[in-house]
Amino acid sequence: DAGVIQSPRHEVTEMGQEVTLRCKPISGHNSLFWYRQTMMRGLELLIYFNNNVPIDDSGMPEDRFSAKMPNASFSTLKIQPSEPRDSAVYFCASSFTLTENTEAFFGQGTRLTVV
Amino acid sequence: SQELEQSPQSLIVQEGKNLTINCTSSKTLYGLYWYKQKYGEGLIFLMMLQKGGEEKSHEKITAKLDEKKQQSSLHITASQPSHAGIYLCGAFLPNAGKSTFGDGTTLTVKP
Repeated sequence: DAGVIQSPRHEVTEMGQEVTLRCKPISGHNSLFWYRQTMMRGLELLIYFNNNVPIDDSGMPEDRFSAKMPNASFSTLKIQPSEPRDSAVYFCASSFTLTENTEAFFGQGTRLTVV
Repeated sequence: SQELEQSPQSLIVQEGKNLTINCTSSKTLYGLYWYKQKYGEGLIFLMMLQKGGEEKSHEKITAKLDEKKQQSSLHITASQPSHAGIYLCGAFLPNAGKSTFGDGTTLTVKP
């Protein structure tokens, strides 16, 4: 398996534009997580899905952020409209189950810069 | 993260030296993970500890979870430049149904 695949790896966009980040989890994993990492706040969980259903989106910062998982092999995180403070590295991770007994595998991340 | 505290925040050591990174929680942990991240890259899973007193090793890296399951340490023996990066501890919070992470420890190994 190629692991968790995220695209794009880097994104530079202008303030106000819509940004869509994509994630392909490891085949067979039924839990998917979106994280944001910044120097100031470290790694933060934004939202996670279990069996394609959003379980907890309390980490989503604002209504400008939305995430979908239309099927078991694809998820998107959308920011509309984007703002400079959204600049961060966004990670997607997947795991086999949603328990304390399994580890999550992370993608390489998408480095987002909003100018 | 206020749920997991890592120390130190950054560490600079000479190649060949041993070092320890700590991760502390005020709550009992039910699964403690250690990850490593190199700048601009994703997180790589290192180890997971579940039982009080558990200790695991991978090459020159050893992680321990204390008996109370509230503190974990990551120990690197004879550090190498390849060990440089950011080390993150993470834990699953069963009541909240989600994971939380420490703020990370940036390790620099001077040749």
